[in-house]
Amino acid sequence: AQSVTQPDIHITVSEGASLELRCNYSYGATPYLFWYVQSPGQGLQLLLKYFSGDTLVQGIKGFEAEFKRSQSSFNLRKPSVHWSDAAEYFCAVGRFGNEKLTFGTGTRLTIIP
Amino acid sequence: EAQVTQNPRYLITVTGKKLTVTCSQNMNHEYMSWYRQDPGLGLRQIYYSMNVEVTDKGDVPEGYKVSRKEKRNFPLILESPSPNQTSLYFCASSFRSGTTDTQYFGPGTRLTVL
Repeated sequence: AQSVTQPDIHITVSEGASLELRCNYSYGATPYLFWYVQSPGQGLQLLLKYFSGDTLVQGIKGFEAEFKRSQSSFNLRKPSVHWSDAAEYFCAVGRFGNEKLTFGTGTRLTIIP
Repeated sequence: EAQVTQNPRYLITVTGKKLTVTCSQNMNHEYMSWYRQDPGLGLRQIYYSMNVEVTDKGDVPEGYKVSRKEKRNFPLILESPSPNQTSLYFCASSFRSGTTDTQYFGPGTRLTVL
């Protein structure tokens, strides 16, 4: 069965600092991988996705993620965070693409001035 | 405006009283899905639908029913709600299933079952 692990429940970063959120997945075939962001009281918004091709994926809001098959990882990065990036971030793996998504438990990001 | 709408946004009910949470999308999407979000568990898929009259179970379908009679609507039915179904529910839709098409999420329905 597919699964996703986000080992960091909560991360605090200073505004302007770099960010990396970790995601490890378990899946028997080539995975479809997604990162979503959920702002307080809001639904989820897709940041970026990966299925094949270039292992470094660019997304919205200046985020990027790198797929590393050997490490079963799909970590999310941003070179310089803004206060508006404070939110909860979810990594997801899809069987048959977006059809059956399995989400991680999320990482809550706090930004300090 | 392209959107996924859910109603109601908040609902408090009692054990055993049947309820329906509606979900509607105006993007002509084929694929729709329901998730529940619980603290520490992330989002878990309840049911999904690949097109009209085509539905399938997700990871946590027990206690829920769905129907897809029209392309735009995908209601979630709790025929006999129990307190363990207290949760935040999200509906989502996308153009196709089995692809990386973006799923658009509704704003969520917070359900409390007493």
